[in-house]
Amino acid sequence: EDQVTQSPEALRLQEGESSSLNCSYTVSGLRGLFWYRQDPGKGPEFLFTLYSAGEEKEKERLKATLTKKESFLHITAPKPEDSATYLCAVQALGGGSNYKLTFGKGTLLTVNP
Amino acid sequence: KAGVTQTPRYLIKTRGQQVTLSCSPISGHRSVSWYQQTPGQGLQFLFEYFSETQRNKGNFPGRFSGRQFSNSRSEMNVSTLELGDSALYLCASSTGAGNTIYFGEGSWLTVV
Repeated sequence: EDQVTQSPEALRLQEGESSSLNCSYTVSGLRGLFWYRQDPGKGPEFLFTLYSAGEEKEKERLKATLTKKESFLHITAPKPEDSATYLCAVQALGGGSNYKLTFGKGTLLTVNP
Repeated sequence: KAGVTQTPRYLIKTRGQQVTLSCSPISGHRSVSWYQQTPGQGLQFLFEYFSETQRNKGNFPGRFSGRQFSNSRSEMNVSTLELGDSALYLCASSTGAGNTIYFGEGSWLTVV
């Protein structure tokens, strides 16, 4: 069964203090690893999809990387508006697994001014 | 370009009742999936439809059902509501496997 574990559960940073969020996964065959941002009371907002080990993607202050066992979301010089829950999910290869995401519990990031 | 639209946004139902939630995917997206989000369990997959066919179903009881129409719009139904069904129900759409999956804002269901 596919599994995704995110750490830490919560992270509090000062504005400008860079850090990383971790997503460890177990999947029979990886089709894609997805990162989302979710604000309170809203649906998840798509950030990145990574498909193979060694792949990296960047967007503003965020950079996502992927290995065969885990993914990192690096946040450089965060701002208060980066405060949100960050969700990691995997999509597996094969059959019905092609069409579903298995999510981790998320990391609640708080950036203080 | 319009995003995934879900209605209603908020609803309160009594235990034992049934509820139907609606989802309009992004134009051109034929894959629609549904997720339940609760504080304790996080986001859990309910089911996925493509061209009116259910291709995968999560580990939820038969009280949870769905369907997709020829225009790709989808509905999910929960019958005989229980208190534990209180959750945020999220609809997502994409063009196909491995492609970006976009979520709607969700329907907040409270069962009293």
